[in-house]
Amino acid sequence: QQQVKQSPQSLIVQKGGISIINCAYENTAFDYFPWYQQFPGKGPALLIAIRPDVSEKKEGRFTISFNKSAKQFSLHIMDSQPGDSATYFCAASGGSQGNLIFGKGTKLSVKP
Amino acid sequence: EPEVTQTPSHQVTQMGQEVILRCVPISNHLYFYWYRQILGQKVEFLVSFYNNEISEKSEIFDDQFSVERPDGSNFTLKIRSTKLEDSAMYFCASRGQGRQTGELFFGEGSRLTVL
Repeated sequence: QQQVKQSPQSLIVQKGGISIINCAYENTAFDYFPWYQQFPGKGPALLIAIRPDVSEKKEGRFTISFNKSAKQFSLHIMDSQPGDSATYFCAASGGSQGNLIFGKGTKLSVKP
Repeated sequence: EPEVTQTPSHQVTQMGQEVILRCVPISNHLYFYWYRQILGQKVEFLVSFYNNEISEKSEIFDDQFSVERPDGSNFTLKIRSTKLEDSAMYFCASRGQGRQTGELFFGEGSRLTVL
């Protein structure tokens, strides 16, 4: 019940295209759903996050769509750029300590 | 911009040796975490620490692991007797007070190689 399932494992997109990564969770106690971006050799860095009281959040080219009833959330990257090439992790947390449970990651490659 | 700093960036050790990984969390943060990432795999939770004690730990965090906040700034992870399978990137993270959930700020990691 603590798992966060992420797909696809890898994604290749042309420059200017839309990248879509999906995640699903089971634990209804989760109340915070961030997406982290990780470049090789670096630590994960927060990209965008959402709480279940809204169904969508947009920051620049990045949008989270959240479906509470389906227990799913997704990251959309509009106008994908080669600089977006990285590994993206969805995560979820809830409870008293805020521990993040990560998905397995999606390696995104944006081709010029 | 405040950041989480970790040392060393890379440590190579022999199997069975003790290793201490060090972290300096963001200064006004109250919640501290260690995660690990085996090469090419997902980021796995090890332990969370709040108010000078462990608040939660995963099944990975067995008796070989310990954490300590020896002073007001450092947060350490000790592995008593390293095994080959401990080879991974270890990330420290911290979080401020306020809501029970929120952004975790990660350091750049310490790469541990056990030979």
